[in-house]
Amino acid sequence: SQQGEEDPQALSIQEGENATMNCSYKTSINNLQWYRQNSGRGLVHLILIRSNEREKHSGRLRVTLDTSKKSSSLLITASRAADTASYFCARGVTGRRALTFGSGTRLQVQP
Amino acid sequence: SQTIHQWPATLVQPVGSPLSLECTVEGTSNPNLYWYRQAAGRGLQLLFYSVGIGQISSEVPQNLSASRPQDRQFILSSKKLLLSDSGFYLCAWSVKRESEKLFFGSGTQLSVL
Repeated sequence: SQQGEEDPQALSIQEGENATMNCSYKTSINNLQWYRQNSGRGLVHLILIRSNEREKHSGRLRVTLDTSKKSSSLLITASRAADTASYFCARGVTGRRALTFGSGTRLQVQP
Repeated sequence: SQTIHQWPATLVQPVGSPLSLECTVEGTSNPNLYWYRQAAGRGLQLLFYSVGIGQISSEVPQNLSASRPQDRQFILSSKKLLLSDSGFYLCAWSVKRESEKLFFGSGTQLSVL
């Protein structure tokens, strides 16, 4: 299967703490993307990192990619209650038009 | 700016009834279009994607079909719904480059009873 795994499946932290979510995959990729989904809503794109990049930042988000380990991590710094959502990684694979999504991490940020 | 519209937001249908979910995109032309399904608390499963009018690729053989009658319109259909068709259906679009980021609609929660 091309699908990887997100880890942990669920994460509960206090406001102000950092949240780290991990994504592992099995096949070679040309990019890896992170999306956020509020309950009952569509997904929103957060950040895209290409296979030749190792780290990328966007505001309070930091994404790393280790292609040798076939893994990525999403770090949300100084979390807020509004960050409560599910976070998904999605792999872009050469020769395949559609992204393949993982099962997601449910993040709960306690105020 | 580009927008994507998906309707209805919720739908409750009896087993054996037909289904039609519609998705339209505004503000862009010749997009790639996608239908994904999400089971409760799970990830997304790709159902169909389309690179142009009348061009549909199916990822999973099942009780559903898709059509793209116009450049920015994507329709998901079924002739007879099954209980297993229940789920959260998401339409998305992307530009034509491979593996680019997706822009999602707000989703349709389908309950088949």
